[in-house]
Amino acid sequence: DTGVSQDPRHKITKRGQNVTFRCDPISEHNRLYWYRQTLGQGPEFLTYFQNEAQLEKSRLLSDRFSAERPKGSFSTLEIQRTEQGDSAMYLCASSLSNEGYTFGSGTRLTVV
Amino acid sequence: AQRVTQPEKLLSVFKGAPVELKCNYSYSGSPELFWYVQYSRQRLQLLLRHISRESIKGFTADLNKGETSFHLKKPFAQEEDSAMYYCALRGGGATNKLIFGTGTLLAVQP
Repeated sequence: DTGVSQDPRHKITKRGQNVTFRCDPISEHNRLYWYRQTLGQGPEFLTYFQNEAQLEKSRLLSDRFSAERPKGSFSTLEIQRTEQGDSAMYLCASSLSNEGYTFGSGTRLTVV
Repeated sequence: AQRVTQPEKLLSVFKGAPVELKCNYSYSGSPELFWYVQYSRQRLQLLLRHISRESIKGFTADLNKGETSFHLKKPFAQEEDSAMYYCALRGGGATNKLIFGTGTLLAVQP
């Protein structure tokens, strides 16, 4: 287990296209989080899973955003009809119960 | 509302000088506070958490509930400490999310 993996590392897409990102957490971690980070800002919470259940969603997560974690393992974050304002680094993290997070390297999305 | 404030975007010190990265929070209950660090071209990683009361890489942080602060300190800065530092808060109850500050870039000059 090499930690939290995210794929792809970079994604350039045209406005209006759909994109999907994948996150593979540390295998024994039951909690998985998605964050978004833009330049000059700290990570902003998007959503959180405990096992396969999505327990919390931020108001930042518009209806164009959807996240899943089937079988409580990997997770996907999909953005439909991308907009230029969606350009950001999308970070995934996992944790075991109330321990600190382990972050992935992120997926940098650029919408042109 | 839960909020984390890091008032300094950049802190520049010389090697060997003391460092204090400021973090103030807003939360009505008993929060859990963390410091995360991101070195150049590396992923965000946990530096320390207040409940551990430990020193990592010479850094310490004490939770001051009266001043609602969790400042990060190191007595003698090293060049390898240059990085982006984020303070984060986790509120109690059902929520498990971390709320991050905007970060402080620490630049240690030789």
